[in-house]
Amino acid sequence: QVQLVQSGAEVKKPGASVRVSCKASGFTFSGYYLHWVRQAPGQGLDWMGWINLDSGDTKYTQKFEGRVTMTRDTSINTAYMDLSRLTSDDTAVYYCARDRGWAVWGQGTLVTVSA
Amino acid sequence: QAVVTQEPSLTVSPGGTVTLTCGSSTGAVTSGHYPYWFQQKPGQAPRTLIYDTSNKHSWTPARFSGSLLGGKAALTLSGALPEDEAEYYCFLYSGGALWVFGGGTKLTVL
Repeated sequence: QVQLVQSGAEVKKPGASVRVSCKASGFTFSGYYLHWVRQAPGQGLDWMGWINLDSGDTKYTQKFEGRVTMTRDTSINTAYMDLSRLTSDDTAVYYCARDRGWAVWGQGTLVTVSA
Repeated sequence: QAVVTQEPSLTVSPGGTVTLTCGSSTGAVTSGHYPYWFQQKPGQAPRTLIYDTSNKHSWTPARFSGSLLGGKAALTLSGALPEDEAEYYCFLYSGGALWVFGGGTKLTVL
C-alpha cells in the first residue's frame, strides 16, 4: 500500500546533527515532492521545506536555512532530512508528507535534544 | 513570509455547525493559496481533510467542507460528532515556493 515509513526516535546532544529518513512504498517515488514538517511538544505544525524527489531540488523556509539539508536516494525510494547544530528548541516530532493533496504522511519521528 | 491566522479555539454542540477560518497577513486568501486543512488528534499524525480549497480525500467525512469566505479560507463542519474534537490546521501557499501553517484551532464538541 501507499505509505511513508520514517526512522525511529533519536536522542541527540546540543550541537549535534540528526538524520531522519522517510522510506516510500506503493507509489512512483520520483513523481512527487516530499515536504518535511515538525511539531514541538504542545505546539503547532511548522513547515520546514520540500524536496523534488525527481530532480533533488529543494526549498527551505528561512527559519531553517543553513541548518537543514533534504536529500533523497532514488535507488531505495528514501528521502532524508538532516538538521545540524541542534538545540533544545529542535526537540520535536518530525514528519514527512507527500505533496499533491498531502494524502500520505509518515508516522513521525521524535527527536529529543538534551544534554 | 505570510503569517496565517486561525481562531485559537472554538466550541460546537453535537449536531451543530461551525466554521473555522484561515486568514493571511498579506491579504485575501484566494484559490492561488491552495488552502489545505488538516485534522490532528492527540498522539496522532495529522490527517489531511481538504486540499486546494475544497477538494476532499476518500476518507474525508461528508460533513466537512472547504471554501473561501470573506477573504479567508474556511472549513465548515455540519453535524458535529464527538470524534470531530481535535486540532485543525490550515496551510497556505505563501509564494516563492514557500508554504506556511496557521497556528491551529482547537475544536471542542460539547
